[in-house]
Amino acid sequence: GENVEQHPSTLSVQEGDSAVIKCTYSDSASNYFPWYKQELGKGPQLIIDIRSNVGEKKDQRIAVTLNKTAKHFSLHITETQPEDSAVYFCAAITGTASKLTFGTGTRLQVTL
Amino acid sequence: DAGVIQSPRHEVTEMGQEVTLRCKPISGHDYLFWYRQTMMRGLELLIYFNNNVPIDDSGMPEDRFSAKMPNASFSTLKIQPSEPRDSAVYFCASSPSDLLGYTFGSGTRLTVV
Repeated sequence: GENVEQHPSTLSVQEGDSAVIKCTYSDSASNYFPWYKQELGKGPQLIIDIRSNVGEKKDQRIAVTLNKTAKHFSLHITETQPEDSAVYFCAAITGTASKLTFGTGTRLQVTL
Repeated sequence: DAGVIQSPRHEVTEMGQEVTLRCKPISGHDYLFWYRQTMMRGLELLIYFNNNVPIDDSGMPEDRFSAKMPNASFSTLKIQPSEPRDSAVYFCASSPSDLLGYTFGSGTRLTVV
């Protein structure tokens, strides 16, 4: 089955700096890669996703890149703000599977 | 849409008692998932349903755990008897048939004392 690894487990950046979170996956058949943000006391919320036929996707300050050859994908947050502080999860799914496989999460702390 | 609705938000129970967690998925979503989240193990998939039918329950830790989905708008996760190590946040999520747009509920924080 699919295995997703996520790094780093914790990340601290100053407000205004950029943050990058990286994930690798094992199943070359995976074709959909969502990212979730989980704030304290809440459920994970989808913030951006990318399909395997696209190399990069942007949504305001958030972008995701995908390298199918290397089987890794990354989340980029620019001009970080305190409200970006949360736990971020990457995930992957294959066309033949019926469930997402999640990474272990990255706790992002944006300091003033 | 109100999103995925879970109840209760918090549950504190004594060891040995039965606990029932409830979930209402988003209308029209064909898939329903139950997850457990702990600091040690992260997000674990317990079981999932497709069109009300259980598809994969390999993540259910023990026979003490059971889940049902009697109709498209309701699911339960039951623990009987509960143990302190069951303490965790339990999430329900639903998804449309293309499995894009997984949506999580707000979770139930279970504490077994």
